[in-house]
Amino acid sequence: QLVLTQSPSASASLGASVKLTCTLSSGHSSYAIAWHQQQPEKGPRYLMKVNSDGSHSKGDGIPDRFSGSRSGAERYLTISSLQSEDEADYYCQTWDTGIRVFGGGTKLTVL
Amino acid sequence: EVQLAESGGGLVQPGGSLRLSCAASGFTVSSSYMSWVRQAPGKGLEWVSVIYSGGSTYYADSVKGRFTISRDNSKNALYLQMNSLRAEDTAVYYCAREAAAGPGVFDYWGQGTLVTVSS
Repeated sequence: QLVLTQSPSASASLGASVKLTCTLSSGHSSYAIAWHQQQPEKGPRYLMKVNSDGSHSKGDGIPDRFSGSRSGAERYLTISSLQSEDEADYYCQTWDTGIRVFGGGTKLTVL
Repeated sequence: EVQLAESGGGLVQPGGSLRLSCAASGFTVSSSYMSWVRQAPGKGLEWVSVIYSGGSTYYADSVKGRFTISRDNSKNALYLQMNSLRAEDTAVYYCAREAAAGPGVFDYWGQGTLVTVSS
């Protein structure tokens, strides 16, 4: 079964960096994923796609502070030079024929 | 510029029906994979349904047999017909376009429409 696992919460200080993790279920370590940001009281926004080789392609207007990478079944979203507006929920998402799957989301707090 | 605008949400009684619409601009719905995603109050995102450019449709188990996704090529719009609604269907419903370069990736989202199922 295709499942994505995320830590429920993370925190980091203003101006620092943070790395969020999304783990693919067993047998699915080669899958690409996408990251989405949801700021409070707003709809989701697409950030980037992270491919199985670790390369990533970002959505329109996404700052260079956001980057993606991978290691095995883990996919990462790194946000550098944290700003107050980065405080949001972050969801990873993947897909297969006829199905789309979201992780449970990570709530990022900027201290 | 790609834009998606949902409408049709509201308050409906358990067992009732509702049809959501998603008006698209800046691209052609019929040439894209399009999905509905929902978010219950205080919860995470849950995929609901997808329609492929070729017309194939797929549903989450939680809505299979009750919801129907469709599109109107002449109006460049996406729809979600929801029947036999339950309290657990209460959520904000978003339509999302899947990237042409990589179907499965939701690269544009609407602002959402709230559906409340309650007596």
